[in-house]
Amino acid sequence: EVQLVESGGGLVQPGGSLRLSCAASGFTFSSYWMSWVRQAPGKGLEWVANIKQDGSEKYYVDSVKGRFTISRDNAKNSLYLQMNSLRAEDTAVYYCARVLGTAMVYYWGQGTLVTVSS
Amino acid sequence: SSELTQDPAVSVALGQTVRITCQGDSLRSYYASWYQQKPGQAPVLVIYGKNNRPSGIPDRFSGSSSGNTASLTITGAQAEDEADYYCNSRDSSGNHLGVFGGGTKLTVL
Repeated sequence: EVQLVESGGGLVQPGGSLRLSCAASGFTFSSYWMSWVRQAPGKGLEWVANIKQDGSEKYYVDSVKGRFTISRDNAKNSLYLQMNSLRAEDTAVYYCARVLGTAMVYYWGQGTLVTVSS
Repeated sequence: SSELTQDPAVSVALGQTVRITCQGDSLRSYYASWYQQKPGQAPVLVIYGKNNRPSGIPDRFSGSSSGNTASLTITGAQAEDEADYYCNSRDSSGNHLGVFGGGTKLTVL
């Protein structure tokens, strides 16, 4: 059974940093592109970032470029999202996602809430 | 980036058929995927590719596409189908990301 378990969310002040983690199990982690998708409270879904199987390619939505970094550790079956210079508009539930290709989520984690507020 | 447009809300009588649509230029080149999201839960994939259902998704869910419009059809809607539905496709701007529609709130009357 595929499982994706996010952690690391919480309350952070504007301008602060947070690192999200996603522990994957039930599949060969190193064989799949992985992604982060977020959802602001009461809003729709937004694709945040993608990372290739070996970490050699990374892509970001314009609104987080230069502030967020996606990474992975295939030895630990883990996906990460380093978030710096956080803004109020980054407040959202962040989902870890195993994708088919680079643009379709086949499995979702349960999400972790990030709140940026003073 | 590309845009996908959905009607904000749709309603259907219990047991009837409902179609939820998604429009966007990227749909002329790429298939849409559809996700169901119930309050407080993560989304769940219900349709992908030409018309594929993941294991465990009832066969009352089906997908189709024509031109720049993709559709999710629920034939014989059940009370448990009341949820938000999001379409998704590849962003045709070349940024190697996916893009989502704004979502459709389905109410089963």
